[in-house]
Amino acid sequence: SQTIHQWPATLVQPVGSPLSLECTVEGTSNPNLYWYRQAAGRGLQLLFYSVGIGQISSEVPQNLSASRPQDRQFILSSKKLLLSDSGFYLCAWSVGSGGRNEQFFGPGTRLTVL
Amino acid sequence: AQSVTQLGSHVSVSEGALVLLRCNYSSSVPPYLFWYVQYPNQGLQLLLKYTTGATLVKGINGFEAEFKKSETSFHLTKPSAHMSDAAEYFCAVSEKTGFQKLVFGTGTRLLVSP
Repeated sequence: SQTIHQWPATLVQPVGSPLSLECTVEGTSNPNLYWYRQAAGRGLQLLFYSVGIGQISSEVPQNLSASRPQDRQFILSSKKLLLSDSGFYLCAWSVGSGGRNEQFFGPGTRLTVL
Repeated sequence: AQSVTQLGSHVSVSEGALVLLRCNYSSSVPPYLFWYVQYPNQGLQLLLKYTTGATLVKGINGFEAEFKKSETSFHLTKPSAHMSDAAEYFCAVSEKTGFQKLVFGTGTRLLVSP
């Protein structure tokens, strides 16, 4: 069966510090991978998605970046965190290109920037 | 561009009462439709989805939703609320063409009182 892991589960970082969040998927090959941010009262905002190794699409301009160094690994990074980067970050995966396919979500990382 | 509106950021019901969570979408072409549930500090889990065929869709935990094209709606219902249903519920849409990207509503928090 497929599983998705995210770490760390929680993170408290000072403003201006770097960030690296990791997501890995097991039990499937060539998944589509997604990073979402969830802020209070604003639902889920799609940040990045990837259809393959090294292929990253950005949905919103910001000081975050994403990378996919391996088929089932997706990394969210920042060189300098802002207060507005605080939130709950969710990684998800799906297969195929059709819009009917379900996305499966990881447990999330809660980031607090102070 | 697609958008999703969930009326009511909070809905309160008594245990055993009907649950009705509203979702309306805006799209030039009827999209694929999803309902996800999120328990505190966890990722999202798919409740149900509509892609084609019968417009009344049954999901897990006794929930169901009906796609009404004329009303551009996909409201979520459950005949009898249980305490364990307390969670946040997200409606999402995905276009039928192109790469699958989910657009989420802002969520509705369901509160269930004894």
